[in-house]
Amino acid sequence: DVKVTQSSRYLVKRTGEKVFLECVQDMDHENMFWYRQDPGLGLRLIYFSYDVKMKEKGDIPEGYSVSREKKERFSLILESASTNQTSMYLCASSLKRWTEAFFGQGTRLTVV
Amino acid sequence: QKEVEQDPGPLSVPEGAIVSLNCTYSNSAFQYFMWYRQYSRKGPELLMYTYSSGNKEDGRFTAQVDKSSKYISLFIRDSQPSDSATYLCAIDRGSTLGRLYFGRGTQLTVWP
Repeated sequence: DVKVTQSSRYLVKRTGEKVFLECVQDMDHENMFWYRQDPGLGLRLIYFSYDVKMKEKGDIPEGYSVSREKKERFSLILESASTNQTSMYLCASSLKRWTEAFFGQGTRLTVV
Repeated sequence: QKEVEQDPGPLSVPEGAIVSLNCTYSNSAFQYFMWYRQYSRKGPELLMYTYSSGNKEDGRFTAQVDKSSKYISLFIRDSQPSDSATYLCAIDRGSTLGRLYFGRGTQLTVWP
């Protein structure tokens, strides 16, 4: 079974903190993605990566950065957390283009 | 204009009903069409996957693509309470980077 594991299910952080969300996949997938999901807005792509050390901006990259030092791990970084970054964050991976994306269970982040 | 539009619902039907979920998209270059199902507090998982136009059937589920009108549908026959979830359409534009464009999701409740 493909497994995409996100480091935390629930996280509470303070405004201004630097936040790291970690994602690991065990299927040697090339592509990895970070989305946020908000009621009424659906899934919005923050960043994605199609290879180690490569990254591409998605639709809402402002306030976020990413790191992919190893193929299996893709980290999302909130440089200075703000309350409007309270959301559900979903990591996904896929083998190559036009193939199924597998999602992690999500991290519900609350910034207070 | 968003790449893909989906009515968020909510949709509430009795057990045994036929459910129709729909999305429209803007770019005729889209070639790969997917439906994801997301249960509460879980990540999305792939339900159906079609390439180009036509129908695809899997048990009680049928995915339909009409490229001439840029319209995709998911039909659920004999709906069950276990089908209660959010259904997201997803489209691949065929770029080299393998990113998906998601609809906002339709929340479906099937009551016994």
